[in-house]
Amino acid sequence: DQQVKQNSPSLSVQEGRISILNCDYTNSMFDYFLWYKKYPAEGPTFLISISSIKDKNEDGRFTVFLNKSAKHLSLHIVPSQPGDSAVYFCAAAVQGAQKLVFGQGTRLTINP
Amino acid sequence: DGGITQSPKYLFRKEGQNVTLSCEQNLNHDAMYWYRQDPGQGLRLIYYSQIVNDFQKGDIAEGYSVSREKKESFPLTVTSAQKNPTAFYLCASSIGGLVNPDTQYFGPGTRLTVL
Repeated sequence: DQQVKQNSPSLSVQEGRISILNCDYTNSMFDYFLWYKKYPAEGPTFLISISSIKDKNEDGRFTVFLNKSAKHLSLHIVPSQPGDSAVYFCAAAVQGAQKLVFGQGTRLTINP
Repeated sequence: DGGITQSPKYLFRKEGQNVTLSCEQNLNHDAMYWYRQDPGQGLRLIYYSQIVNDFQKGDIAEGYSVSREKKESFPLTVTSAQKNPTAFYLCASSIGGLVNPDTQYFGPGTRLTVL
């Protein structure tokens, strides 16, 4: 039972344009969501998070949007840069439970 | 220079041998975690520990064992009972306790190949 789903295995975007990565979840108890970026053969790097009391959180070029009624979150990267090419994982948790549930990841490729 | 270290980066073992993966953190975090990543899949939780001398099974604990004798260290042993041990193993830590929300930070990973 996949509680967190990233339905797009890959995404290709032109440099300078907006990248939008999507994530859906099924467990309505989740109230904390995170995005991680991962390069090959490296550990994931924390990017940005959002609590369920908010619907948007912004950090520089990265913005995460949360739609609780649709159980959907998205990560927007603008403008996209070549260094953004990586696999992006969304993760969800019930705050206080200390267990993250990860999606399958989306491979983002930024084309020059 | 705080962080999480995992060693070695690449590890090869023969089938039937136990192998122990190292994870050390100097972030003064209480909680530590072990995940496994397989191609095309997300990270799956093997074991986690919220405090020294205590740990809990994650979603795929069969064939693995851990210990948490020191706050800084959370070694993972992949036993011969693990049917599919070849994978990329990731260790993480977080502040833990009653911190809310509690973001996890990851080490660089160890790629284990069983021949």
